[in-house]
Amino acid sequence: LAKTTQPISMDSYEGQEVNITCSHNNIATNDYITWYQQFPSQGPRFIIQGYKTKVTNEVASLFIPADRKSSTLSLPRVSLSDTAVYYCLVGDPAPGGYQKVTFGTGTKLQVIP
Amino acid sequence: GAVVSQHPSRVICKSGTSVKIECRSLDFQATTMFWYRQFPKQSLMLMATSNEGSKATYEQGVEKDKFLINHASLTLSTLTVTSAHPEDSSFYICSARDMARVETQYFGPGTRLLVL
Repeated sequence: LAKTTQPISMDSYEGQEVNITCSHNNIATNDYITWYQQFPSQGPRFIIQGYKTKVTNEVASLFIPADRKSSTLSLPRVSLSDTAVYYCLVGDPAPGGYQKVTFGTGTKLQVIP
Repeated sequence: GAVVSQHPSRVICKSGTSVKIECRSLDFQATTMFWYRQFPKQSLMLMATSNEGSKATYEQGVEKDKFLINHASLTLSTLTVTSAHPEDSSFYICSARDMARVETQYFGPGTRLLVL
């Protein structure tokens, strides 16, 4: 079970790029790294997922170094609506592999006008 | 994109009654669904893993007789909170894995339960 560690909170001004780093020193060979966003009283929303190197989609980028012991979620030009809690999850996608995925504390991002 | 729904979105009940929460995958099939509970200002805590056609697997400390889970089809899992008490008041969230894309979980919008 790969435990994840993230900063508890971060502040950023509107329009800036935000980078949130997650440590997962015990990541296993078959584990994928997935980031979710959660607004109050809503279920988590999938943002991005990767295994190694860099992944980019329409909302974010995910950087994973060669040793895969950490990952960085990059949000370009944040807006007030990006204020939320961001969770980093690590788990094996094989059948039953995600059974033991544990949510960490998450990072509460506050975007300031 | 993959959509997971939950019903009801919020429910208020009296202590001692039972409450059923439904979780549906709307546009994909899910052999595995997960049930989480989230208390205010806390992270999600995995309660159990629901597998279609078989018994659910509960996390340590979660009473299987109190939180009954049924996964009768590839698109529906239900969580029944039996004999609910005020301490069961929480935000219950389900998630489902797409059989075609098993590496990703998709979460429902959550159900707010208040037990009086």
